Amino acid sequence: DTGVSQNPRHKITKRGQNVTFRCDPISEHNRLYWYRQTLGQGPEFLTYFQNEAQLEKSRLLSDRFSAERPKGSFSTLEIQRTEQGDSAMYLCASSHQGRRNGYTFGSGTRLTVV
Amino acid sequence: GENVEQHPSTLSVQEGDSAVIKCTYSDSASNYFPWYKQELGKRPQLIIDIRSNVGEKKDQRIAVTLNKTAKHFSLHITETQPEDSAVYFCAPWNQGGKLIFGQGTELSVKP
Repeated sequence: DTGVSQNPRHKITKRGQNVTFRCDPISEHNRLYWYRQTLGQGPEFLTYFQNEAQLEKSRLLSDRFSAERPKGSFSTLEIQRTEQGDSAMYLCASSHQGRRNGYTFGSGTRLTVV
Repeated sequence: GENVEQHPSTLSVQEGDSAVIKCTYSDSASNYFPWYKQELGKRPQLIIDIRSNVGEKKDQRIAVTLNKTAKHFSLHITETQPEDSAVYFCAPWNQGGKLIFGQGTELSVKP
């Protein structure tokens, strides 16, 4: 197992287009988190899953954002009708519930909306 | 919601000096307190953490101290080296089951 994997690494899209990102967590981790990070800021929580259940979604998250983790393994994050303000690094992290350890982050997907 | 603040936002030290970064939080139910290091263009990486049943933890040149009554915890780096230059984030565990990150402290270690 090579850690948390995210694809693609970079995505450039035109405003108004839909984009989808994928995250493959560490296999034995049952929790998966999505964060967004803009330049000079800390990671901002978006949503998280325990197995296939989405347990929390940030109130700041627009309805244009949706995430799934259908089989409790990989997850996808979709942004519909992208806006320039969506440009950011999207980070995925996984952990094991109960161990209360820190997350392992993926390398992120950098989204640029032009 | 949870309020997490770090101070200072930037810190510049000479190589060999010590650096201290403080994090204050508002969720009294928090019981896990990690620090992450993020180098430019890379992912955040866990460098040290502490649980609420202890007051201090050390790992070589880095240490974390916790004052749960006052709701703050601090990162201490001794004998700083240029490779310690990075952005450091505190991220106390929120009772909702997730980490809430501070805004970061940019540490610069000058040779």
